Amino acid sequence: NAGVTQTPKFQVLKTGQSMTLQCAQDMNHNSMYWYRQDPGMGLRLIYYSASEGTTDKGEVPNGYNVSRLNKREFSLRLESAAPSQTSVYFCASSPYRTSGNTDTQYFGPGTRLTVL
Amino acid sequence: QKEVEQDPGPLSVPEGAIVSLNCTYSNSAFQYFMWYRQYSRKGPELLMYTYSSGNKEDGRFTAQVDKSSKYISLFIRDSQPSDSATYLCAMIGAAGNKLTFGGGTRVLVKP
Repeated sequence: NAGVTQTPKFQVLKTGQSMTLQCAQDMNHNSMYWYRQDPGMGLRLIYYSASEGTTDKGEVPNGYNVSRLNKREFSLRLESAAPSQTSVYFCASSPYRTSGNTDTQYFGPGTRLTVL
Repeated sequence: QKEVEQDPGPLSVPEGAIVSLNCTYSNSAFQYFMWYRQYSRKGPELLMYTYSSGNKEDGRFTAQVDKSSKYISLFIRDSQPSDSATYLCAMIGAAGNKLTFGGGTRVLVKP
């Protein structure tokens, strides 16, 4: 049981390049999330997927796109990377139900992205 | 102004001391309150969660919520060097599925 896995662990891009960050979970969770973490800013939600087949914008969606490929996988794409997207990206999953249960999120190890 | 405020620290204490962490928030709709621990270069891991006002204890950790003051706390008793990490508070509304995080407090426990 690996939990939440992310690839790659590190990436350096040039401005304008594109890339996809991959995330997978093996806990049969419904919901998945992408966050970015910047010094002093905490974790900010980029996009989330409450269930397979749905995606919604979070707090900072500009410059990103997502795909919920199936229940296990949720990818984040940067179409044209900018230096402002230099950050640490975390994927998370949760067994969220619409009944209002506590949303315990389980995080992956993160991807450190630098855009030059 | 951020919805959730947390002192960034660092908070440096000697081994065995009590660590006291807190967050203030502005959204009265928050119902569930959590504390995550994040070691350097790792993802956050859930430490404790509480519902509404009150105290919750788990080993050396105690979480407190005061909804009337919009203030939550985490206390770590008998702190150990292995408690050195960044502690993030997080909160969510009753029917929501999106967490709002504080900026995190870095804690250093010196042997």
